[in-house]
Parts: sequence; structure tokens; C-alpha cells
Amino acid sequence: GAVVSQHPSWVICKSGTSVKIECRSLDFQATTMFWYRQFPKQSLMLMATSNEGSKATYEQGVEKDKFLINHASLTLSTLTVTSAHPEDSSFYICSARDPNSYEQYFGPGTRLTVT
Amino acid sequence: DAKTTQPPSMDCAEGRAANLPCNHSTISGNEYVYWYRQIHSQGPQYIIHGLKNNETNEMASLIITEDRKSSTLILPHATLRDTAVYYCIVRWYNNNDMRFGAGTRLTVKP
Repeated sequence: GAVVSQHPSWVICKSGTSVKIECRSLDFQATTMFWYRQFPKQSLMLMATSNEGSKATYEQGVEKDKFLINHASLTLSTLTVTSAHPEDSSFYICSARDPNSYEQYFGPGTRLTVT
Repeated sequence: DAKTTQPPSMDCAEGRAANLPCNHSTISGNEYVYWYRQIHSQGPQYIIHGLKNNETNEMASLIITEDRKSSTLILPHATLRDTAVYYCIVRWYNNNDMRFGAGTRLTVKP
């Protein structure tokens, strides 16, 4: 199956700083990517849909000014957590949609810890 | 708001078949049933999907009832590495949305 990568796989940052997470589709061009957040022992929650060349669509309750999403190319979407706080500590997962097959492929996730 | 209902947890003996049920009574005619699993601290892994016919691949079989209101994922010979949370999702084939419910935590025991 198709491969989606995320970088970094884990990151620790101090409260008040910003951290950027990258999501790349390695063998197909993804016009649409998705960002999920998962807290311990909970399911994945869709945060936003990222469309190449346009603004992201955020789910209700997700602060767009806090979670900045950029989808500048067909193989890369980035999520920047601005002014991170301990409550933003979570497992962030991206997925990419293959426009030919409509299938979604998930990245391995990024564990963010804010101290 | 997930459109599926799954038992929160199940156990299975190693080497035996694991049968994971999913109810999707409000499924519409053009919605597919997808199954993913998530091993601890990893991203979801695609398992199988189907519309109305039973499907089989190298990982699992998917049995969909004739009225399509429920389905069962079958892992024919469960191993310890199959311990994971299994998610059943219904969605339109070309729809963007892939929304996860609570899933079933399958524990395969030796």
C-alpha cells in the first residue's frame, strides 16, 4: 500500500513555544490530507481537512489560529501547534487521500509532549 | 458522531479465529464498510473494505449481512501481534470523511 510519513515521530517542547509536524505522501500526490488528534485511551478525532493550495477546513471546536495547517504541495502538509500548552500533549496522526483510488493512508503518528 | 457500534473489548485465544462484530444499521446504499486497526502508539492500518459482497484478503475476511446493517471482521488465525484496537467505519467511497468510533480492543492471549 501507499506510504505516508510523519516527522518528527515524537517531540517534547516547552509551554508557550510552537512546534511543526510534517506529513508527506511518499508515492502518490495527495490533493487532500487530514489531521487527527488522539488522547490516551481515546479514539482518533478528526481535527481538520487540508486541501492543497487552499485553506484548511477545521472541525467544530478546533481552534484554527492555534493549529495552523499548510498544504503547500501535493506531497506535504504541515501542522503547527502554536503557543503549545500541556493540554495540547497528544498523539497527532495525519492521513493522505489518493485521488485515483480515493483510499486514505495513515501516517505513523507524532507524539507531542508539552512540558 | 460515529455511525457504527462495536463492543468495547474482546478476547481471543492465539491460533483461533477472532470474529469482530460491527453494527451499522443506518448505512446507506452507497456507503462502504471499512476496517482499520491500530496497534499501540502507531497509526491506523487498513485491513479490508466492502460494499455488499463478502471480501477476503491476506489479512482478514469481511462478512456483510444481506441487509448490510451489520458486518463481521474475521481474523482466521489470530496471533499475539493482532492485539490492537479495531475500527469499523462506514463512508462513501469517494468521500473525504474517515471518522473513527470507539472501536473494539482485541486482546489475543497465549
